[in-house]
Amino acid sequence: DVQLVESGGGLVQPGGSRKLSCAASGFTFSSFGMHWVRQAPEKGLEWVAYISSGSSTIYYADTVKGRFTISRDNPKNTLFLQMTSLRSEDTAMYYCARDSGVGLDYWGQGTTLTVSS
Amino acid sequence: QIVLTQSPAIMSASPGEKVTLTCSASSSVSSSYLYWYQQKPGSSPKLWIYSTSNLASGVPARFSGSGSGTSYSLTISSMEAEDAASYFCHQWSSYPFTFGSGTKLEIK
Repeated sequence: DVQLVESGGGLVQPGGSRKLSCAASGFTFSSFGMHWVRQAPEKGLEWVAYISSGSSTIYYADTVKGRFTISRDNPKNTLFLQMTSLRSEDTAMYYCARDSGVGLDYWGQGTTLTVSS
Repeated sequence: QIVLTQSPAIMSASPGEKVTLTCSASSSVSSSYLYWYQQKPGSSPKLWIYSTSNLASGVPARFSGSGSGTSYSLTISSMEAEDAASYFCHQWSSYPFTFGSGTKLEIK
């Protein structure tokens, strides 16, 4: 079965940094592009970043460009999101999701990031 | 960026009622890259409809999707209690990829 398990969330002070991980299993990780999507409390979904299967193509939302870095380690089946200069508005549940080519077909359970002093 | 506006924001429907949710784009979206996701409280989103009108695996046949250009919709032919959820449209037609603000569908 396809599984995506996020980790690394927690409480961070404004201006701080955090690195999220997403461990993938049950499929050939290196064959799929991956996304990070976040959801602020009681709010809608916000696309954050995309990385292609071989890391050659990367996109970011304007709200995180220059502060967040998406990366992946294919041999270790792991996706990352390095976040710096964190702001209160970055507080959200962060999901990793698999790009099937026709939609985000598998999502993790999410990891919660809270940016607060 | 393409802004997706969903309406209504909240609605309630009775069992058996026909329901239509709409997603309006600020610029034209390729129908191949318009998706819908269902999310229930406390759960991750699920891919529900892909490429405007194709049902994802396991989605009941009472759901359908249609649209083109700047106007898209998700329709439930006969509302059931299990369909109560939030629905989000999503476009990959142009970067940056964007989601609609969502429609919360409740059962009466």
